[in-house]
Amino acid sequence: AQRVTQPEKLLSVFKGAPVELKCNYSYSGSPELFWYVQYSRQRLQLLLRHISRESIKGFTADLNKGETSFHLKKPFAQEEDSAMYYCALNWNQGGKLIFGQGTELSVKP
Amino acid sequence: ETGVTQSPTHLIKTRGQQVTLRCSSQSGHNTVSWYQQALGQGPQFIFQYYREEENGRGNFPPRFSGLQFPNYSSELNVNALELDDSALYLCASSLRRPMNTEAFFGQGTRLTVV
Repeated sequence: AQRVTQPEKLLSVFKGAPVELKCNYSYSGSPELFWYVQYSRQRLQLLLRHISRESIKGFTADLNKGETSFHLKKPFAQEEDSAMYYCALNWNQGGKLIFGQGTELSVKP
Repeated sequence: ETGVTQSPTHLIKTRGQQVTLRCSSQSGHNTVSWYQQALGQGPQFIFQYYREEENGRGNFPPRFSGLQFPNYSSELNVNALELDDSALYLCASSLRRPMNTEAFFGQGTRLTVV
């Protein structure tokens, strides 16, 4: 069955430190993966998608089909990066998203 | 261009009652998906509507039903409410042409069942 796993509920780092938010997936087809972010008191919004291979706000994520992972990385964390981050899988290519449980990133000054 | 709007923002219902939540999709979008987000969990897919028909459903019982209107707005109906239905309900709209573009989310409706 299709599933997205984010093993860390909370990740706390200091400003300027590297960040890696882990995401593993289980899916029998060709996966389309996303990272969504929710800042405090704001709605859920797309951060990046693997097919575009772009870097948004300094974040990157590489799809590793061998390890079935799509980890989110940033070399130098900023305080404004503090938010909830959700990894999501596009189920059946139809825009139906399967989300992980989310990781709260806290960047301390 | 307007974003996705949901109403009401908060709602309190009694167990056994019925509730209707509403969603206006972003201008130009023809697909609406609904999600349930329990406290401390990620959003869970309920169902999707495209061209006024259900186009995929997650693991939710039939008492969760929906509608999509010709203007692409949508309703989520939940009958016989249970305490576990207390959650944030999110609506997301996208454009299917034929593959779905980015999903834009509403701010959600917080439902509390007592």
